[in-house]
Amino acid sequence: QSALTQPASVSGSPGQSITISCTGTSSDVGYYNFVSWYQQHPGKAPKLITYDVSDRPSGVSNRFSGAKSGSTASLTISGLQAEDEADYYCSSWTTSYTLVFGGGTKLTVL
Amino acid sequence: EVQVLESGGGLVQPGGSLRLSCAASGFTFSSYAMNWVRQAPGKGLEWVSGLSTGGGSTYYADSVKGRFTISRDNSKNTLYLQMNSLRAEDTALYYCAKIVGVIRRGAMDVWGQGTTVTVSS
Repeated sequence: QSALTQPASVSGSPGQSITISCTGTSSDVGYYNFVSWYQQHPGKAPKLITYDVSDRPSGVSNRFSGAKSGSTASLTISGLQAEDEADYYCSSWTTSYTLVFGGGTKLTVL
Repeated sequence: EVQVLESGGGLVQPGGSLRLSCAASGFTFSSYAMNWVRQAPGKGLEWVSGLSTGGGSTYYADSVKGRFTISRDNSKNTLYLQMNSLRAEDTALYYCAKIVGVIRRGAMDVWGQGTTVTVSS
């Protein structure tokens, strides 16, 4: 049950695009299309921003988009805004019937 | 309003027990699988346990298997987490979350504000 691998931090300027990677294995990200991404602001509960790799819940901006290639998933945020500064987590179901999260990525908007 | 509200956290000694509750409202609780997720102070998210709609299928992280038990009472719209043999490393903010669709999806669209569990002598 090893955690998915995410970069500890990424940064970008307002208006730019950034991509956060989430690397798993053939037993999780590479096996299922059940990858989700969450945004968490300090002191707040996580918020679902994409699921099933690339679907967005209603109300989530289309500036957030998810993708997957092999055992690596990614979240792209386009048109960065100050309010996007937060921690981001990926998750995936595994063939061991467990859910695994990534270690989290801190996004800084410069 | 669709929401879940956790309760039952507190300070407990190592080896002790605690039962967390999660009261759901604003949606048909019995139609959705549910998860418990925790977050240790200053750390990332860790999935703890999941439960199917009827309660017949349960799933646990290796770190809590054999010590924690997830259950639900659909007549009371409430999810539970019975935690036994608690350890210092179980100290965390515990979230209850509603899953979108089947449990394998893992997509959690409704989260509570969490309840804090502190394991310390």
